[in-house]
Amino acid sequence: GAGVSQSPSNKVTEKGKDVELRCDPISGHTALYWYRQSLGQGLEFLIYFQGNSAPDKSGLPSDRFSAERTGGSVSTLTIQRTQQEDSAVYLCASSFRDRSYGYTFGSGTRLTVV
Amino acid sequence: AQSVTQLGSHVSVSEGALVLLRCNYSSSVPPYLFWYVQYPNQGLQLLLKYTTGATLVKGINGFEAEFKKSETSFHLTKPSAHMSDAAEYFCALPSGFQKLVFGTGTRLLVSP
Repeated sequence: GAGVSQSPSNKVTEKGKDVELRCDPISGHTALYWYRQSLGQGLEFLIYFQGNSAPDKSGLPSDRFSAERTGGSVSTLTIQRTQQEDSAVYLCASSFRDRSYGYTFGSGTRLTVV
Repeated sequence: AQSVTQLGSHVSVSEGALVLLRCNYSSSVPPYLFWYVQYPNQGLQLLLKYTTGATLVKGINGFEAEFKKSETSFHLTKPSAHMSDAAEYFCALPSGFQKLVFGTGTRLLVSP
């Protein structure tokens, strides 16, 4: 596609529920990243995918967070048993080959846990 | 690991005034540095990129940034602010394995 597409754009969920956030990267971009942006905070790295290699999960804050990338394209970030501190904007970005090319970001999913 | 510091969470300027947003990196000279801009309810958009060898980098919307090794800085400037420049600006550089680390951002406020 022309840009990085994220859905939904907004999600309100009850504490304890599971949520899935979707990212559709730019066609041909092999690298895909998830970041979290909390109010007043910078961007916090969550996970990195490169092609069909094993992902770098070093930024995932707890085992309630997981992500997958199917067919080297679409990615889903899943948060189980959501907590109020999970409320944030979740940003997906893709890059042609690697970080040296810079990222192209999606518009994000604003998650609110009530 | 490299880190990046943006001094000033908020910067206020008048329309037509010089914009200066500060970014400092922590240690060794990075091979590349980025500035991104984020408008409300949008993702981040690439403004400009520094690569080794350059000193003054020109970006979109009239912005430019000067890399100063002696000051470990990569400050973003624009000679004359427009109302449309009001946004949040992030500096980023490579850190760790294959990821970028971002500063905490500087919100630019432009008054008429």
